[in-house]
Amino acid sequence: GIQVEQSPPDLILQEGANSTLRCNFSDSVNNLQWFHQNPWGQLINLFYIPSGTKQNGRLSATTVATERYSLLYISSSQTTDSGVYFCAGYTGGGNKLTFGTGTQLKVEL
Amino acid sequence: GAVVSQHPSWVICKSGTSVKIECRSLDFQATTMFWYRQFPKQSLMLMATSNEGSKATYEQGVEKDKFLINHASLTLSTLTVTSAHPEDSSFYICSAPGTYTSTDTQYFGPGTRLTVL
Repeated sequence: GIQVEQSPPDLILQEGANSTLRCNFSDSVNNLQWFHQNPWGQLINLFYIPSGTKQNGRLSATTVATERYSLLYISSSQTTDSGVYFCAGYTGGGNKLTFGTGTQLKVEL
Repeated sequence: GAVVSQHPSWVICKSGTSVKIECRSLDFQATTMFWYRQFPKQSLMLMATSNEGSKATYEQGVEKDKFLINHASLTLSTLTVTSAHPEDSSFYICSAPGTYTSTDTQYFGPGTRLTVL
């Protein structure tokens, strides 16, 4: 099946730093999405981004579907940004989300 | 925005008992819902697709008789873990698409943490 790899797997930042998280997929995916899973386990929608670039406050995302990757940018990180970031896309022309391996982010004071 | 709730948030049960987890779409209707399982420090794995008014579709390797899914209405899907054993301990999460287009943005419930003693 399709593989969705995220990098880096773990990331520690000082508050205020910027970061880029990457999502690579081995085959075509549709309607890529980014989620933040907070320390309590709740998944929060960040972006629905099949292609192009979107921005929401300190976060932005870019998907280049033809090259099978997506990037999530976090600027001026805050401790509340800590958690796990997942990308996910629909594969095989169906409606099943395949999740990436995740990036565990910790933002320290 | 679309809100999905789950109940209970956490449950501890003895080995051999059955546990029911509810997933509700609070402000929208969902003909399709999805159930995931997540082990510590791992990604989410799709277990099954819940279809309102019809049988659920299970992913390869998921035991249908152990994980019973019922989608009785447009706002409620239930997952029953039957004869639970310690290896069934996990974090169970449901989701629903925000529109009738099932490949639209998915909204996730807060999850249910199951511990089987």
